[in-house]
Amino acid sequence: DVKVTQSSRYLVKRTGEKVFLECVQDMDHENMFWYRQDPGLGLRLIYFSYDVKMKEKGDIPEGYSVSREKKERFSLILESASTNQTSMYLCASSSRRWENTGELFFGEGSRLTVL
Amino acid sequence: DAKTTQPTSMDCAEGRAANLPCNHSTISGNEYVYWYRQIHSQGPQYIIHGLKNNETNEMASLIITEDRKSSTLILPHATLRDTAVYYCIVRLEGYGSQGNLIFGKGTKLSVKP
Repeated sequence: DVKVTQSSRYLVKRTGEKVFLECVQDMDHENMFWYRQDPGLGLRLIYFSYDVKMKEKGDIPEGYSVSREKKERFSLILESASTNQTSMYLCASSSRRWENTGELFFGEGSRLTVL
Repeated sequence: DAKTTQPTSMDCAEGRAANLPCNHSTISGNEYVYWYRQIHSQGPQYIIHGLKNNETNEMASLIITEDRKSSTLILPHATLRDTAVYYCIVRLEGYGSQGNLIFGKGTKLSVKP
């Protein structure tokens, strides 16, 4: 069964802390994505990566950075967490052929609370 | 990408067909219609996509009108496990590896016993 695994389902952090959200996929996918989901706003793309060590900004990259050192792993980093980054974070992956299949595979999400 | 409009919520009786509408009146000729769903506390799940012909898979059927300005996702025999938020998305094929699907607010489908 294909799988995208996010390291933590629930996290509570304090303002100013550095936060790492990890995502691992076992499908040998080239593309990986980080979204955040907030009530009333839907899913918004933060960053994506189409290859190892490559990254592209999405719609809301401010306050975030990413790392893709290995193909299967894509990390989202909050350098200095703020309360407005309290959200559900979703990781997704897709093959390079996804342009034709339309299928993104999502993890179960990481709910981050920043106090 | 074209904007989509979906009802905020719908109810369906268990065992009956669930028909979820989506309007995409500004869709262009090379934009596909995608459907995803999100069950509570899980990540979104791909259901189906199509361009102009009707499509069917093991999960659902997608009916696209001839003018392509609207579509309907059909779950033929809804079960309680189909209760979820359903997202209709319009996207260019071959958008590159960006994969920037724009998820709107979707339709919350409640399947009732």
